[in-house]
Amino acid sequence: AQSVTQLDSQVPVFEEAPVELRCNYSSSVSVYLFWYVQYPNQGLQLLLKYLSGSTLVESINGFEAEFNKSQTSFHLRKPSVHISDTAEYFCAVSASASSASKIIFGSGTRLSIRP
Amino acid sequence: DGGITQSPKYLFRKEGQNVTLSCEQNLNHDAMYWYRQDPGQGLRLIYYSQIVNDFQKGDIAEGYSVSREKKESFPLTVTSAQKNPTAFYLCASRIGDVNTEAFFGQGTRLTVV
Repeated sequence: AQSVTQLDSQVPVFEEAPVELRCNYSSSVSVYLFWYVQYPNQGLQLLLKYLSGSTLVESINGFEAEFNKSQTSFHLRKPSVHISDTAEYFCAVSASASSASKIIFGSGTRLSIRP
Repeated sequence: DGGITQSPKYLFRKEGQNVTLSCEQNLNHDAMYWYRQDPGQGLRLIYYSQIVNDFQKGDIAEGYSVSREKKESFPLTVTSAQKNPTAFYLCASRIGDVNTEAFFGQGTRLTVV
C-alpha cells in the first residue's frame, strides 16, 4: 500500500522569504509524485509532477520539488514567496501496481504569508 | 472548454435524507474519482472508477454509493447510513494511466442539518 505524509500542517512565513513544504511517501513499487495547490472553496490545481528523468522539477510560478528516492521524499520549495502563494498544498502519489490506479493524498500544508 | 463540472456548489439536506452529487467531465477521461475533504485530514478516497460500468471502493466508502453508466458521468450518492456527511466533496478525473495527473472539479459543499 502507498501512503503520503506531510509533516507540517501549517507553515507561516514572511513575504519574500524562502519556504519548504515537506512530503514523504512510502511505497513498495515505482511511484509518480505530484504537488497540488488549493485556494479557498475551490478544487485542486496541479502545481508540478515527477514522472521520471531529472529529479528536480519546476513549476511556472517559481516552485520546485526534488524527488529523493533514498529518503522517499518530494519536498516543495520556493526561494521567495508572495502573498498570492497563500493556499493549501497537497502532496500526492500514484503508484504502479496491478490494482486499479489510485491517487493517494497527504493531509495538506496550509501556507500563510505575512507581509 | 474542457473540464469537470460538479453541481451544485452548495447543498443543504436534512438528516436522514439521501442526496446525490453530480460530476460530469468532457475530457474523455477513463478514470474518475470521488474524494471527501475535512479540515486537517486532506483528501480521502471514497470511490473510483477506471472504466464504464466498473468501480471500486476507496478508503471510506461506507455510507456512499456510485454508478458509472456513462464515461462522462460519475454521480455520488450520500446515503442516510453515512454518519457524518457534512463535508467538502471533490470529483476528479484522469486519462487512466498511473503516470498522469488528475483534474479536479470545483467541489460541492454538503451541509446536513
